[in-house]
Amino acid sequence: EVQLVESGGGLVKPGGSLRVSCVGSGFTFNDAWLSWVRQAPGKGLEWIGRIKAKTDGGTADYAAPVKGRLTISRDDSKNTLYLQMLSLKTEDTAVYYCTTGHQWGQGTLVTVSS
Amino acid sequence: DIVMTQTPLSLSVTPGQPASISCKSSQSLLHSDGKTFFYWYLQKPGQPPQLLIYEVSNRFSGVSDRFRGSGSGTDFTLKISRVEAEDVGVYYCMQTIQLPITFGQGTRLEIK
Repeated sequence: EVQLVESGGGLVKPGGSLRVSCVGSGFTFNDAWLSWVRQAPGKGLEWIGRIKAKTDGGTADYAAPVKGRLTISRDDSKNTLYLQMLSLKTEDTAVYYCTTGHQWGQGTLVTVSS
Repeated sequence: DIVMTQTPLSLSVTPGQPASISCKSSQSLLHSDGKTFFYWYLQKPGQPPQLLIYEVSNRFSGVSDRFRGSGSGTDFTLKISRVEAEDVGVYYCMQTIQLPITFGQGTRLEIK
């Protein structure tokens, strides 16, 4: 069974930083292109970035609103995807999902508030 | 950015009746390789999104055959032949032909 499990969310002050993780299982993790998608409370889905498989270059692409503040990385030896978030703003408050496109994790809530 | 526009934004359907959701993209989603990078998701209350349809018309594993995707180029439709209570939630369309990946605004389906 394919599973994606996010962790690391929590409450952080504006300007702070946070790293969330996503562990994958049940599929060939190192072949997967993985995205982070967020959903602000009561709002729709917003794609924020994607990382390719290392065999396809392993590069990451980002949405304009988060470029320069968020970094996506992967550790295929641990089947883990990371999202490092810096200079967090109140508008970054959301549930953060990792996804292969076909499968989604349950999400982790990041709240940015003073 | 490719803009995805869904209509309607909400619909209320009697169980057993059909439902239809439209999604229009601001640019063609047809790739030179012949694939169309268009998807439908359902987000049930309190859950993450789940894939229903990929590449316009292919039902994902385990998805009921009551769901049917169709369309081409810039115009796409999701049809539910007979709505059931478990179909309640928000339906999203998505494109992946061009970055940034973009979603429609969502269509909320409720049961009458």
